[in-house]
Amino acid sequence: EVQLVESGGGLVQPGGSLRLSCAASGFTLSSKGMNWVRQAPGKGLEWVSYISSSSSTIYYLDSVEGRFTISRDNAENSVYLQMNSLRAEDTAVYYCARSGMTPRPFDYWGQGTLVTVSS
Amino acid sequence: SYVLTQPPSVSVAPGKTATITCGGDNIGSKSVHWYQQEPGQAPVLVMYFDSDRPSGIPERFSGSNSGNTATLAISRVEAGDEADYYCQVWDNDGARYVFGTGTKVTVL
Repeated sequence: EVQLVESGGGLVQPGGSLRLSCAASGFTLSSKGMNWVRQAPGKGLEWVSYISSSSSTIYYLDSVEGRFTISRDNAENSVYLQMNSLRAEDTAVYYCARSGMTPRPFDYWGQGTLVTVSS
Repeated sequence: SYVLTQPPSVSVAPGKTATITCGGDNIGSKSVHWYQQEPGQAPVLVMYFDSDRPSGIPERFSGSNSGNTATLAISRVEAGDEADYYCQVWDNDGARYVFGTGTKVTVL
């Protein structure tokens, strides 16, 4: 059974940092592209970042480029999102989602981890 | 930047057909995916590459895409179909995935 479990969310002050993790199981992580998607309270879905199976291709939402860094460790079956210079508008539930190469869909999602940026 | 526009809400009586539209510039040239999200839950893929259904998704769900509009139709609507629905495409020019604004489906 495919499972994606996010962790690392919490309350952080503006300008602070957090590192989110996504633990994958039930499939071979090294064969799949992975994404982070966020959803602000009461709002819609917003794609944040994509990393290809070998980490050779990475994309970011414009508003997080230069502040967020996506990475993966296939040997550890994990994907990460390092978030720096956090802003109030980054407050959201962050989901990890599996895809293949773009433009493939997101066929499995984790349950999400809440990030709150507030003083 | 590429924008996908959905109606904020669609209301439908049980047993009828709900039609959810997703508008975008020449969206017919792109592959559209659809997700269902129930309150407090993670999204679930219900349609991919315009009209393909993942295993486990009822045949009542169907999709189409042409011109400037993609459509997700839910026939013989049930109370359990009540949820938010989002369309999605890959914007090759912007090198990013884009989600639609979302549609809340209410079963009367």
